[in-house]
Amino acid sequence: KAGVTQTPRYLIKTRGQQVTLSCSPISGHRSVSWYQQTPGQGLQFLFEYFSETQRNKGNFPGRFSGRQFSNSRSEMNVSTLELGDSALYLCASSLDTGLADTQYFGPGTRLTVL
Amino acid sequence: QKEVEQDPGPLSVPEGAIVSLNCTYSNSAFQYFMWYRQYSRKGPELLMYTYSSGNKEDGRFTAQVDKSSKYISLFIRDSQPSDSATYLCAMSKGGYGGSQGNLIFGKGTKLSVKP
Repeated sequence: KAGVTQTPRYLIKTRGQQVTLSCSPISGHRSVSWYQQTPGQGLQFLFEYFSETQRNKGNFPGRFSGRQFSNSRSEMNVSTLELGDSALYLCASSLDTGLADTQYFGPGTRLTVL
Repeated sequence: QKEVEQDPGPLSVPEGAIVSLNCTYSNSAFQYFMWYRQYSRKGPELLMYTYSSGNKEDGRFTAQVDKSSKYISLFIRDSQPSDSATYLCAMSKGGYGGSQGNLIFGKGTKLSVKP
């Protein structure tokens, strides 16, 4: 079974631009979570989507948004990019059977903001 | 105080050594505890998953959870150079439809196993 895939793998943008990252979960997985990883802050939870609805949200500004499609694929968008948004953005999917399911991570999208 | 504390290392050990990695946490609502391994330029890979207190063993890896002390550990026996990676602890409150998708991570410990 194919793992979690994320596109693009690398991205370079300039301040003020916006960016959209894509995540395809493992087949059959219904929950998708997004995380930001930086050397200073480590892995931080951005938001989680289930059945096209945002179920949980971390402590990030409104410039960070996401959505989930009916096939469980998800996108996240960052508007008005800042230098501090440079990070590895990770997507994780899980079955969501009703308990704390195992989350499987993709390889991430490395975003550099110049 | 951060919810999850983890010594970032780096930790360097000779091949064959027993490695002990630890995390402490402050939120008593955490019920699910995980250890992930992350190689350079890769996404985290789940190693161990434990519910509540107790021990769990999988090959060379043993995870321990002590909820009374809010302390979790990962032991690696007979460490190999291929174990060189960053190890991240993670925890969740769990619960259906609740915060199960929200993992709280430690900052990770960078481990190097020397041949």
